[in-house]
Amino acid sequence: EVQLVESGGGLVQPGRSLKLSCLASGFTFSNYGMNWIRQAPGKGLEWVASISSSSSYIYYADTVKGRFTISRDNAKNTLYLQMTSLRSEDTALYYCASDTYRFWGQGVMVTVSS
Amino acid sequence: DIVMTQGVLPNPVPSGESASITCRSSKSLVYKDGKTYLNWFLQRPGQSPQLLTYWMSTRASGVSDRFSGSGSGTYFTLKISRVRAEDAGVYYCQQVREYPLTFGSGTKLEIK
Repeated sequence: EVQLVESGGGLVQPGRSLKLSCLASGFTFSNYGMNWIRQAPGKGLEWVASISSSSSYIYYADTVKGRFTISRDNAKNTLYLQMTSLRSEDTALYYCASDTYRFWGQGVMVTVSS
Repeated sequence: DIVMTQGVLPNPVPSGESASITCRSSKSLVYKDGKTYLNWFLQRPGQSPQLLTYWMSTRASGVSDRFSGSGSGTYFTLKISRVRAEDAGVYYCQQVREYPLTFGSGTKLEIK
């Protein structure tokens, strides 16, 4: 069974940093690109970043470019999202998803507030 | 960036009836391989999104054949036949033709 489990969320002050993780199981993680998508409370879905299977190709939404870094460790079957210079508008439920969007995690909440 | 614009449903939809959700893109989603890079998702309350269709009209594994996607390069429809209570939620279209990837704002379906 495919599982994606996010962790690392929480309450953080504006301007601080946070690193999210997504642990994958049930499939050959190193063969698949991955995505981060977020959803602000009561709002729609927003694509955040994508990374190819070997990390050769990386893309970001303009809203996070220069502040967020997507990465992966294929040996650990784990996807990451390093978030810096956090703003209140980054408050959202963050999902990791496979490259085809067939598989999603349950999401991890990030709240940016003083 | 490609803008995705979704229509509104006249809610609630009676159980057993059909519902059609529309989505328009600001640019053609047809790639040089001939495929149309448009996904549809359903997000039920309190759940993660579920992929319904990809390449505009290909149903994802395990998705009921009551869901069918169609359209052209810039105008798309997700038809739900014989709606059931379990179909309630918010439906999103997403273009994966080019980065940045973009979602529509969502269309809420309520069942009567």
